[in-house]
Amino acid sequence: NAGVTQTPKFQVLKTGQSMTLQCAQDMNHEYMSWYRQDPGMGLRLIHYSVGAGITDQGEVPNGYNVSRSTTEDFPLRLLSAAPSQTSVYFCASSYSTLGLSEQYFGPGTRLTVT
Amino acid sequence: DQQVKQNSPSLSVQEGRISILNCDYTNSMFDYFLWYKKYPAEGPTFLISISSIKDKNEDGRFTVFLNKSAKHLSLHIVPSQPGDSAVYFCAASEGTGANNLFFGTGTRLTVIP
Repeated sequence: NAGVTQTPKFQVLKTGQSMTLQCAQDMNHEYMSWYRQDPGMGLRLIHYSVGAGITDQGEVPNGYNVSRSTTEDFPLRLLSAAPSQTSVYFCASSYSTLGLSEQYFGPGTRLTVT
Repeated sequence: DQQVKQNSPSLSVQEGRISILNCDYTNSMFDYFLWYKKYPAEGPTFLISISSIKDKNEDGRFTVFLNKSAKHLSLHIVPSQPGDSAVYFCAASEGTGANNLFFGTGTRLTVIP
């Protein structure tokens, strides 16, 4: 099992550019989520999905889109990058959608927007 | 407003001694709590959890204590080992059907050999 994989590991964008952060898991987990980690803020939930075709907003969804066409993949799209989106992004998955059991995190994508 | 707080950004402990990491929360609806450990350039990994129906949960060298009246939990690591050096995040969720975890800002633990 590769667990949760994220690509790319690092990315630099210019303001206004768009891009997609990739996330995949091979554990057949129903629940997947995206978090961002900023200094002094802890991890904050951006979007989550409880299964293929079902997504919902988390705490900080503005400026991001997600879709879940398969159980394995949960890409995060930045529509028009802004410096405020400079952060480390983590994707996570969990076998349970009934409450938040142990989540498995990917290694993160460090994004810088200039 | 930060609903889960870890007021100590860092902690240093001698190898073999006890490490105590603290976490406070403000939302009285939180009833499930987790600790995650994070090494540099890696994602957080789950360490231990506790539900509000318990006040203690142990797993090997790791014990989590929950004081609901004080809205406080702590993670004890005994004995501490150099491999425990990492950033520890406390997280909380509201209800068994919750889909959002609220994380603290983390405490960097350094275990000195």
